[in-house]
Amino acid sequence: AQKITQTQPGMFVQEKEAVTLDCTYDTSDPSYGLFWYKQPSSGEMIFLIYQGSYDQQNATEGRYSLNFQKARKSANLVISASQLGDSAMYFCAMREGRSGRANSKLTFGKGITLSVRP
Amino acid sequence: DGGITQSPKYLFRKEGQNVTLSCEQNLNHDAMYWYRQDPGQGLRLIYYSQIVNDFQKGDIAEGYSVSREKKESFPLTVTSAQKNPTAFYLCASSGTGGRRHFGDGTRLSIL
Repeated sequence: AQKITQTQPGMFVQEKEAVTLDCTYDTSDPSYGLFWYKQPSSGEMIFLIYQGSYDQQNATEGRYSLNFQKARKSANLVISASQLGDSAMYFCAMREGRSGRANSKLTFGKGITLSVRP
Repeated sequence: DGGITQSPKYLFRKEGQNVTLSCEQNLNHDAMYWYRQDPGQGLRLIYYSQIVNDFQKGDIAEGYSVSREKKESFPLTVTSAQKNPTAFYLCASSGTGGRRHFGDGTRLSIL
């Protein structure tokens, strides 16, 4: 079974509107972390936001927030007030095990392409 | 500024040739990683290293080799045994927490 699932083939959003990018995960480890990265067409991977499995509140970073539903094993990224520069590929990733473990692996989903329309 | 530097940005390989991709970091991170990305796909782990002079195979290590002689450096060699090397290669490092800090990548193509 895939550990990280991103099934939306491509998303479109009007500038200044909000958009939700879906991510579901699968793990039996009670301790894990979830990451979202943005990859523009230039190729670099930009860290956006992090959510730990024991965090009580949903993570927020500026216009980015993470809708963390632990029972459903989903960690959807919400981008508010979309900008043209948000057009990119977005990857969800999971680290299983406690943070600080030297050999913690990060598993990436296949990504979602977001296009922001003016 | 601290970060990851990958070079070259573009690289071309001839048949039967080995090529080496450079990755240097000044973040003082112990762990370093190499990922491969094919068009429209996610990242797949090639090799990783938790400490100097030690490294482990990832999910797709065949046809690749690495070394970790210095904490700052983790070069990747794409050998002639890798029959489909055309891809985008990303190097990363991490401290505690697991968050990866990425370089800008190297695009490798076959001549």
